[in-house]
Parts: sequence; C-alpha cells; structure tokens
Amino acid sequence: KQEVTQIPAALSVPEGENLVLNCSFTDSAIYNLQWFRQDPGKGLTSLLLIQSSQREQTSGRLNASLDKSSGRSTLYIAASQPGDSATYLCAVPLGNTGKLIFGQGTTLQVKP
Amino acid sequence: DTGVSQDPRHKITKRGQNVTFRCDPISEHNRLYWYRQTLGQGPEFLTYFQNEAQLEKSRLLSDRFSAERPKGSFSTLEIQRTEQGDSAMYLCASSPTPGQGEETQYFGPGTRLLVL
Repeated sequence: KQEVTQIPAALSVPEGENLVLNCSFTDSAIYNLQWFRQDPGKGLTSLLLIQSSQREQTSGRLNASLDKSSGRSTLYIAASQPGDSATYLCAVPLGNTGKLIFGQGTTLQVKP
Repeated sequence: DTGVSQDPRHKITKRGQNVTFRCDPISEHNRLYWYRQTLGQGPEFLTYFQNEAQLEKSRLLSDRFSAERPKGSFSTLEIQRTEQGDSAMYLCASSPTPGQGEETQYFGPGTRLLVL
C-alpha cells in the first residue's frame, strides 16, 4: 500500500532563507510525483511534476528533486518570501490510474 | 478556458439534508477526479471518471454518495442524508488521460461543506 509522508508538518523561517521540504513514499514504483501549493481555504495549485525518469524539475525559485530508489522527493525554495507562506503538498499516482495519494502537507510561514 | 470551476464554493446544511456539488473540468480533459479534504490533512481520493464512465469508487464513499458525469463534461457529486462527519472540503480535479503526455492534475477551488 502506497503511503506518502511529509516532514516537518510546519515550518517557520525568516524572509530570504533557503529551505527544503521533504516528501517520502513507501512504494518506489511511481509514474511521477507532483508538488502542490494550497492557500488557506483554497484549492490546490500545481507547482511541479517530476516524471519517474527525471531527477529534478525547476520553476523559478522552486526546484524539486526525485530519488525513486530511496522513496524521497524534496522541494527546495530559494530566497523565501512572505508570499510563499502556504501549505505544500506532495502526491504520487496510484499505479497508472492517475488517482493521487497525498501527504499530510507542510505548512510554511515566511516571516518578514 | 479558465481552469476547473466548482459550484457552490460554500454550503451550509442541516444534518439529514441532501446536497449536490458541481464541477466543470478543463474542456479537453478526459479524466475527472473527486477528492475530500478535512482540516490539517491531505486530500483523499473519492472517485474518478474517464469521460462519462465512473472507473472507481473509494471505500470512503458510502452508499449516501453518488457521482455522475453524464455527458463526459461536467460532473456532480451528491450526498444524501448528510451527517456531521461529511463536513469537509470537496475538491475536483481534471487531467488528460494518464500516459498521453501532460499528466498534471488541475484542481478547482473546492466546495466547503458544513453540516450542522
């Protein structure tokens, strides 16, 4: 059974810091891994999708890495800003069905 | 196309009432998913459609829940005889069929349900 875990559950950093969010999954036979952002009371916004054949993906100040063999992914945020404050969720599809298994999320607060 | 839309955004109802939510996916997407999210947790899969066919229902979905996608476009999720435990955010997402290139799931803003 695929399980996805995110550590830490919450993180508070001063503005300008670089930070890393962690995601682990128990079944390494994944097709891809997706990182999302969720603002309070809102839906999910897709940030990055890494295919199983890729090691990393970059978008602006965000960089996501994937190590299938160890069952881990990281989301690196460079030069954090108060606007980055949100909950970050990682998810993997179950087999090739597309239905996503989510972690519990990491709630990030960036203080001015 | 402005993305996935959901209606209503908020719903307050009394225990025992029926509620229906609507999701309009991105028009060219064949896949449509429903998830439920409770406070402090990640979303949990409920059901999904490939065009108009409902391919799977989670064990989380009791007999009080029913979902349809009659013409392969919009979808509805109905909850009959609501219970307080049904209070949650109901999220809809759409994507192309997996394995056909772009596989990112795009989510709507969600419908927040409160059962009193």
